[in-house]
Amino acid sequence: AQTVTQSQPEMSVQEAETVTLSCTYDTSESDYYLFWYKQPPSRQMILVIRQEAYKQQNATENRFSVNFQKAAKSFSLKISDSQLGDAAMYFCAFQVNRDDKIIFGKGTRLHILP
Amino acid sequence: EPEVTQTPSHQVTQMGQEVILRCVPISNHLYFYWYRQILGQKVEFLVSFYNNEISEKSEIFDDQFSVERPDGSNFTLKIRSTKLEDSAMYFCASRWDRTDTQYFGPGTRLTVL
Repeated sequence: AQTVTQSQPEMSVQEAETVTLSCTYDTSESDYYLFWYKQPPSRQMILVIRQEAYKQQNATENRFSVNFQKAAKSFSLKISDSQLGDAAMYFCAFQVNRDDKIIFGKGTRLHILP
Repeated sequence: EPEVTQTPSHQVTQMGQEVILRCVPISNHLYFYWYRQILGQKVEFLVSFYNNEISEKSEIFDDQFSVERPDGSNFTLKIRSTKLEDSAMYFCASRWDRTDTQYFGPGTRLTVL
């Protein structure tokens, strides 16, 4: 069975600083996707970034980037130049390529300090 | 940009009542999903739907739940006889094919009293 673990229930970062959210996962599969979703207070699920396991290059989307370590089964999210609008719950998630379901971690609540 | 929409945004119902949650997936998408999130907990997969049938369902998706695509645009989740523990946020998602990302709707908050 696949599992996703986020060991940091809450984190805080000063505005304009950089923060890294941790995620590890466990799987015996080799073909899968990893995601970071953002859930602001409105509770909508917003895709932040997606990584295909077969790609060695780390995905980036503007101020958001990941550090994907396949052998270590680690998938951390780095947010640069943190902004007040980045305050949200962040979920790390996993999906086997042939499967339909996405498996989510428990989330990390990120606070941005002005 | 096309979006998944869900109605209503908040539904309050009495225990034992039937509820139908509605979703309009992105128009050319072929795969449809329901997830739920109990307050303060992680998001959990309920069911996937493709070609007018369920392709996968979780243990949570018991006989009280059903899904339907009654026309070319809507995708519904029915809970036949709601329980207190069904109170949660319910998210619909859709995607074009199995390599595509799942796009989530804004959710329906279900409160069972």
